[in-house]
Amino acid sequence: NAGVTQTPKFRVLKTGQSMTLLCAQDMNHEYMYWYRQDPGMGLRLIHYSVGEGTTAKGEVPDGYNVSRLKKQNFLLGLESAAPSQTSVYFCASLAGGSREQYFGPGTRLTVT
Amino acid sequence: RKEVEQDPGPFNVPEGATVAFNCTYSNSASQSFFWYRQDCRKEPKLLMSVYSSGNEDGRFTAQLNRASQYISLLIRDSKLSDSATYLCVVNFNTNAGKSTFGDGTTLTVKP
Repeated sequence: NAGVTQTPKFRVLKTGQSMTLLCAQDMNHEYMYWYRQDPGMGLRLIHYSVGEGTTAKGEVPDGYNVSRLKKQNFLLGLESAAPSQTSVYFCASLAGGSREQYFGPGTRLTVT
Repeated sequence: RKEVEQDPGPFNVPEGATVAFNCTYSNSASQSFFWYRQDCRKEPKLLMSVYSSGNEDGRFTAQLNRASQYISLLIRDSKLSDSATYLCVVNFNTNAGKSTFGDGTTLTVKP
């Protein structure tokens, strides 16, 4: 099993550009999450999904959109990138009834 | 006030030392509690869950005090490999598994 994978690992965007981050998990987990982590801070929840076809807002959803068309994939979109979105983005998944979230390796995004 | 607050750190300790991290949470309806470990520029990984009765895993002991809304992590006989950032994590809604993370406490164990 690959676990949770994220694509791309690094990206530099100019202000106003758009991009999509892909998260994929091969563990058949129901729940998936997108977090951002800024320097010296903990993870903050952007959006999450409790199952295929469902999404919900987390703590810091503004400027982001998500989709979960397939159970194994959770996409995070930035429609018009801003420098404030420079961060490390982590995706995680969780099996229903479980306690442990499994994280992907992260995507380092810089917006200039 | 943040929902989950941790000791600001950093903690710099010699090998073999015992070190304790504290964490407080503000939502009394919180349901489950964890310590995650995050190495530099890596993803967080679950270190241990925290139970009301307290639990131990080798050199690591976690305690929960629901009345005081307080969680702790004790590391005995610190190793160089324990150097990392330790994140306190609280779940308020286990149905969605949503977690709130503390900002983390950085530990450096020195020879």
